[in-house]
Amino acid sequence: EAGVAQSPRYKIIEKRQSVAFWCNPISGHATLYWYQQILGQGPKLLIQFQNNGVVDDSQLPKDRFSAERLKGVDSTLKIQPAKLEDSAVYLCASSARFSGGNNEQFFGPGTRLTVL
Amino acid sequence: KNEVEQSPQNLTAQEGEFITINCSYSVGISALHWLQQHPGGGIVSLFMLSSGKKKHGRLIATINIQEKHSSLHITASHPRDSAVYICAVWDNYGQNFVFGPGTRLSVLP
Repeated sequence: EAGVAQSPRYKIIEKRQSVAFWCNPISGHATLYWYQQILGQGPKLLIQFQNNGVVDDSQLPKDRFSAERLKGVDSTLKIQPAKLEDSAVYLCASSARFSGGNNEQFFGPGTRLTVL
Repeated sequence: KNEVEQSPQNLTAQEGEFITINCSYSVGISALHWLQQHPGGGIVSLFMLSSGKKKHGRLIATINIQEKHSSLHITASHPRDSAVYICAVWDNYGQNFVFGPGTRLSVLP
């Protein structure tokens, strides 16, 4: 079974530029998560999808971040415009179903973003 | 105060040593997860606990719901165990995962 795929793996941009990340979850997984992990910290949830609907985006900075999962399969996360403090690893994870805390999440390799 | 705290923050051990990493949390939870993150970013789920104790190979995880505390133990540690270990809890009130800051473990040969 293929794992969660993410691209690109690394991205360097200048502040005020735009950037997009792509995630393809494990086939058949209904729930998809985007996390931001700043160096030295644990992951922080940005947005959670159940199929193509948003379950939780309370911690997504909506003035500059957006995400979509139009067909309920792959997803894109966009930052426009980027700030220096957006430098982090962006992790995508998926789980087979949404059942609160009892669902095992499978993580992608992450995209390391550096904003100069 | 962070909702999920881990100790120690960093840990260096010699190969073969018994290792304990602790996690304490302040929110009401239905499940606690231990995750392993290797250099390069990939995260792997090790355990999912709601009570008691689980064992997988050289890894043991315990949870005490009343004390809001969990421990991850590694027996006969090996350099390949070097990674960041992250505790994550499912917050029943917020209905979301809350992650600890991680414990960076280095096992020296």
